[in-house]
Amino acid sequence: GAVVSQHPSWVICKSGTSVKIECRSLDFQATTMFWYRQFPKQSLMLMATSNEGSKATYEQGVEKDKFLINHASLTLSTLTVTSAHPEDSSFYICSAERGEQETQYFGPGTRLLVL
Amino acid sequence: GENVEQHPSTLSVQEGDSAVIKCTYSDSASNYFPWYKQELGKRPQLIIDIRSNVGEKKDQRIAVTLNKTAKHFSLHITETQPEDSAVYFCAASIGGGYNKLIFGAGTRLAVHP
Repeated sequence: GAVVSQHPSWVICKSGTSVKIECRSLDFQATTMFWYRQFPKQSLMLMATSNEGSKATYEQGVEKDKFLINHASLTLSTLTVTSAHPEDSSFYICSAERGEQETQYFGPGTRLLVL
Repeated sequence: GENVEQHPSTLSVQEGDSAVIKCTYSDSASNYFPWYKQELGKRPQLIIDIRSNVGEKKDQRIAVTLNKTAKHFSLHITETQPEDSAVYFCAASIGGGYNKLIFGAGTRLAVHP
């Protein structure tokens, strides 16, 4: 199969702190990973595309200095929410693409609550 | 920008009945259309997908149809079971590639015993 993990699964932090979320492809190499955000009872909204060894591509309206993405290896991408505020509270989900023209496999998500 | 519209937002059926969820997309370059099932608090799971060179695909009780001319694709679930209850999302690739996806708003399916 294609397994994607995320860590942590949930995090509670104070306003103003930074939070790092890791996304790993456990049994395959992923040159491309994606970061999504999902509010309660809403759809998945693509935040950015993370490419191994290059800068991430951010969707319109997503602040790249707010949501730092690093894809340092073929199995790991990280999303850092800098200076988090309550409005950043959400469910963050990553996905990894296995090879070209392949399906996206989703991680289990990280629930972030900023107090 | 590009978008995907999904209907209905909620769907309630009796066990054994069929369920149909419809999506339309705006990007004429879209060529990959996956469907995901998401249970509460869990990750989206791919249930079926279709590429633009195919008009229909079936996997046991699940089928997807694609009409590229109308920019329309649908999910059909037959002989529904209570465990089919979940939120279903359609998605369409954008930008001419296969990987960047735009998701529909989701359909909450409830199957009653």
